[in-house]
Amino acid sequence: KAGVTQTPRYLIKTRGQQVTLSCSPISGHRSVSWYQQTPGQGLQFLFEYFSETQRNKGNFPGRFSGRQFSNSRSEMNVSTLELGDSALYLCASSNGVQGTGMNTGELFFGEGSRLTVL
Amino acid sequence: AQSVTQLGSHVSVSEGALVLLRCNYSSSVPPYLFWYVQYPNQGLQLLLKYTSAATLVKGINGFEAEFKKSETSFHLTKPSAHMSDAAEYFCAVSDQGRDDKIIFGKGTRLHILP
Repeated sequence: KAGVTQTPRYLIKTRGQQVTLSCSPISGHRSVSWYQQTPGQGLQFLFEYFSETQRNKGNFPGRFSGRQFSNSRSEMNVSTLELGDSALYLCASSNGVQGTGMNTGELFFGEGSRLTVL
Repeated sequence: AQSVTQLGSHVSVSEGALVLLRCNYSSSVPPYLFWYVQYPNQGLQLLLKYTSAATLVKGINGFEAEFKKSETSFHLTKPSAHMSDAAEYFCAVSDQGRDDKIIFGKGTRLHILP
């Protein structure tokens, strides 16, 4: 069974640009969560999608957005990039949905997309 | 709201020595607790999880963790460290309720000394 696939793995952008990251979940998983990982802050929850609907959202500015398609693939977009957006962006898929009381807790992570903003 | 505190951002142990990574949680309701491991240039993978069954939980690669409600702790241990255990370890908590988002600690990087 194929794991979670994230593309691109590495990318470099300049301030003010925008970026789109893609995530393909494990087959059969309908929930996709996104996290930002930085050395100082650890893993910060961005948002979660289930059945094409955003179910949960973290404390990030509106420049961070996402969506999910009917095949459960998800994309996240960051507009007007800032230096502080440099991070590893991790996608995770699961069977459960966070915030519903049915969460099994096991998240399956991709290898991440490492974004560098210059 | 639930939270997790991991004591020590870096821990070094000698090969063959006991590994102890500390995690304390805060939760208003009985929690689910998890340990994830991240090897260099990889995503996170689940080591073990506690979901209110046995308080001593065994995971992969010889790791185990014990849920201690009185101490609000869920420390991760391994009797004998191996070089391949060098990685970053994350403790995470989720409330067993409607707001059961998974909240991660800031991670502990484990170094194994030869």
